[in-house]
Amino acid sequence: KNEVEQSPQNLTAQEGEFITINCSYSVGISALHWLQQHPGGGIVSLFMLSSGKKKHGRLIATINIQEKHSSLHITASHPRDSAVYICAVRIGWGFGNVLHCGSGTQVIVLP
Amino acid sequence: ETGVTQTPRHLVMGMTNKKSLKCEQHLGHNAMYWYKQSAKKPLELMFVYNFKEQTENNSVPSRFSPECPNSSHLFLHLHTLQPEDSALYLCASSPTDAVSSEQYFGPGTRLTVT
Repeated sequence: KNEVEQSPQNLTAQEGEFITINCSYSVGISALHWLQQHPGGGIVSLFMLSSGKKKHGRLIATINIQEKHSSLHITASHPRDSAVYICAVRIGWGFGNVLHCGSGTQVIVLP
Repeated sequence: ETGVTQTPRHLVMGMTNKKSLKCEQHLGHNAMYWYKQSAKKPLELMFVYNFKEQTENNSVPSRFSPECPNSSHLFLHLHTLQPEDSALYLCASSPTDAVSSEQYFGPGTRLTVT
């Protein structure tokens, strides 16, 4: 069983809709990353969280450490947001910390 | 453009071949990473280098051999691979290998083993 579970696995939205992707993890973590992977493979790091909430443009990421849960929200979605979104958690601190990734959520935004 | 480049972008090799993947970063970072992404599997961390020293090896088979000659370059030497090693291999770098250090990813090398 993967330590990191994402939902949904696939999501299709109309342009302008609000999108939420959820990530749950089963172990104590030191940080959580949200990554965006476009067709062709390139990955962009969107957020790194250890508590609270971060916002960048139309993207918002939140984390609840007690509930071991994080969400990524996309407001006013656009076709260029179509990508795979990956939740990854860091377990451990400093030397030897390990990164575990979820399976990803495929997002398609239709014009 | 993230400042992390990878070559080649695509590679097809036979099981008896020896090839190398190259990653270069122009960001002045001290930590570099190799990841593997197989079809329908989560992204997997393979190796971590910090200041040219390997700090993590995630139980990767010895047919994958990393090399980090300096903080800007990272290689992954491949030999006697198996078809199941076909995947996207991603390189990343970050200022340090600390938990709080943001990673910048390269475009990846799509490897096919025949």
